[in-house]
Amino acid sequence: NAGVTQTPKFQVLKTGQSMTLQCAQDMNHEYMSWYRQDPGMGLRLIHYSVGAGITDQGEVPNGYNVSRSTTEDFPLRLLSAAPSQTSVYFCASRRLAGEPGNEQFFGPGTRLTVL
Amino acid sequence: QQQVKQSPQSLIVQKGGISIINCAYENTAFDYFPWYQQFPGKGPALLIAIRPDVSEKKEGRFTISFNKSAKQFSLHIMDSQPGDSATYFCAARGRTYKYIFGTGTRLKVLA
Repeated sequence: NAGVTQTPKFQVLKTGQSMTLQCAQDMNHEYMSWYRQDPGMGLRLIHYSVGAGITDQGEVPNGYNVSRSTTEDFPLRLLSAAPSQTSVYFCASRRLAGEPGNEQFFGPGTRLTVL
Repeated sequence: QQQVKQSPQSLIVQKGGISIINCAYENTAFDYFPWYQQFPGKGPALLIAIRPDVSEKKEGRFTISFNKSAKQFSLHIMDSQPGDSATYFCAARGRTYKYIFGTGTRLKVLA
């Protein structure tokens, strides 16, 4: 049981490049989400999904796309990277049945630098 | 209405002392209040959580105090240890699936 996995761990991009951050979970959790963490700003929700084929926007969705074709995977796409997207990105998942107290599990993070 | 305000930004405590971190929220629809602990280079991990129908929850050295009327909740770490040195985040969630996080408190416990 690997929990929530994220790849890559580190990435450097040039302005305008695109890339996909990968996230996978093996706990059969319905809910998956992406956060970005910036100094002094806590974690801010980018996008989330409550099941395959269902996604919705969080607080800071601009510049990011997501899709959920399977329960296990929830990739985050940066369409045209900007220096403002330099951040640490965390993927998280949790079970929805039996809410509201279900624990949210976080991945180890991806540190992204946009030059 | 969606904000969760956390204080202090940083905290230094002597070993064996009590660490106290405070959070305040605005949205009365929030019904779940977790605290997360994050070590450098790692993802946050759930430490303890409370629902607003109780005023206090204790798990080992960690206690959440909840004041519904004041819309405030706090984390108390008793007998703080150097291994508790980490960043702590409060959060709140309502029925919309979204978590709103505080800005974090960097705790350092001196040996």
